[in-house]
Amino acid sequence: DAGVIQSPRHEVTEMGQEVTLRCKPISGHNSLFWYRQTMMRGLELLIYFNNNVPIDDSGMPEDRFSAKMPNASFSTLKIQPSEPRDSAVYFCASRAQGDGYTFGSGTRLTVV
Amino acid sequence: SQKIEQNSEALNIQEGKTATLTCNYTNYSPAYLQWYRQDPGRGPVFLLLIRENEKEKRKERLKVTFDTTLKQSLFHITASQPADSATYLCAPLFSGGYNKLIFGAGTRLAVHP
Repeated sequence: DAGVIQSPRHEVTEMGQEVTLRCKPISGHNSLFWYRQTMMRGLELLIYFNNNVPIDDSGMPEDRFSAKMPNASFSTLKIQPSEPRDSAVYFCASRAQGDGYTFGSGTRLTVV
Repeated sequence: SQKIEQNSEALNIQEGKTATLTCNYTNYSPAYLQWYRQDPGRGPVFLLLIRENEKEKRKERLKVTFDTTLKQSLFHITASQPADSATYLCAPLFSGGYNKLIFGAGTRLAVHP
């Protein structure tokens, strides 16, 4: 298995632009998580899905952030409009029931 | 609110010694706790899971303990090697409403030859 696949690896965008981050979880994993990592705040859970259904989005910073999981093999995290404070590494992780999380390599987002 | 504390300063040890990392949590009682390793520029990698009814768990050179009275987990690496140098993250499961892992800030370990 190729693991959790995220794209792009790096994204540089101007303030106000829309940004879409993509994630392909491991086949057979029924839970998917989006995390954000910064030096100041560490790893923060933004949202997670169970069987493609959003379960807890209490970590989503504000209405500028949205996430979808249209099927078991694909999820997106969208920021519109982006702001410099959104600059961070965004990780997607998936998990089979009862196991540890498998993280992707992350997307390093820079908003200038 | 729930809080997780890990040694904020880097831990420097000599190759061959045992590294011990500490994770303390407050304001909740996790059903289980996980430990992850993170290398620069990479995502965290799952190492071990220990449940609240388990006192100790081992995997090769790794050992984790879980003291629910002290609200503390210890992570040990025996016979440490330079390749063990990384940041280690503690992640107790928070069960308030929705089950979710909350990660500590991590402790950076440097093993010197």
